[in-house]
Amino acid sequence: GQNIDQPTEMTATEGAIVQINCTYQTSGFNGLFWYQQHAGEAPTFLSYNVLDGLEEKGRFSSFLSRSKGYSYLLLKELQMKDSASYLCAVLDSNYQLIWGAGTKLIIKP
Amino acid sequence: GAVVSQHPSRVICKSGTSVKIECRSLDFQATTMFWYRQFPKQSLMLMATSNEGSKATYEQGVEKDKFLINHASLTLSTLTVTSAHPEDSSFYICSANRGTENQPQHFGDGTRLSIL
Repeated sequence: GQNIDQPTEMTATEGAIVQINCTYQTSGFNGLFWYQQHAGEAPTFLSYNVLDGLEEKGRFSSFLSRSKGYSYLLLKELQMKDSASYLCAVLDSNYQLIWGAGTKLIIKP
Repeated sequence: GAVVSQHPSRVICKSGTSVKIECRSLDFQATTMFWYRQFPKQSLMLMATSNEGSKATYEQGVEKDKFLINHASLTLSTLTVTSAHPEDSSFYICSANRGTENQPQHFGDGTRLSIL
């Protein structure tokens, strides 16, 4: 079966750095997405990785290792507004998006 | 700015009512749109893939007669929850790809449905 694993919840301090991991086992791979979802709102797109390596976009970076079936989202200089759920999703060989359950990130002052 | 518009944002109605939710792509044509449901503190669950000009593809366990999907144009898909009951209360979200299949899905703002 297809499976995506990410931690249920993480806590970090304002101004710090946090890394949210995602491991996946899917039938084929056509890219991995990270989305941010604030409580009561729809997800918003953060990043897309299809090749190995690190993609940096401001305070957020996303890393992919296809051989390990592994990705992480790195958030730097954390702000209170970064408190949200972060969803990892993989596009399989049929271009079907497989969603992880999301990681709830709690930022403390 | 927003690329996918969803309406209404919130619906509160009595049990037995049918509710229609609209999803529009604002500045692009979407041959495919997606309908999700999300219960509190749970992940997104894909309900169906809406295909312009043809029947929607429903995920296993989703009743097609209960959740009617119509994708009549390249910019509009509608989801109708027929004879809604309290257990249908949820957050319904639509999305669309802007371009090819490996492009990110852009989401509407969601519709919070509460059935009394």
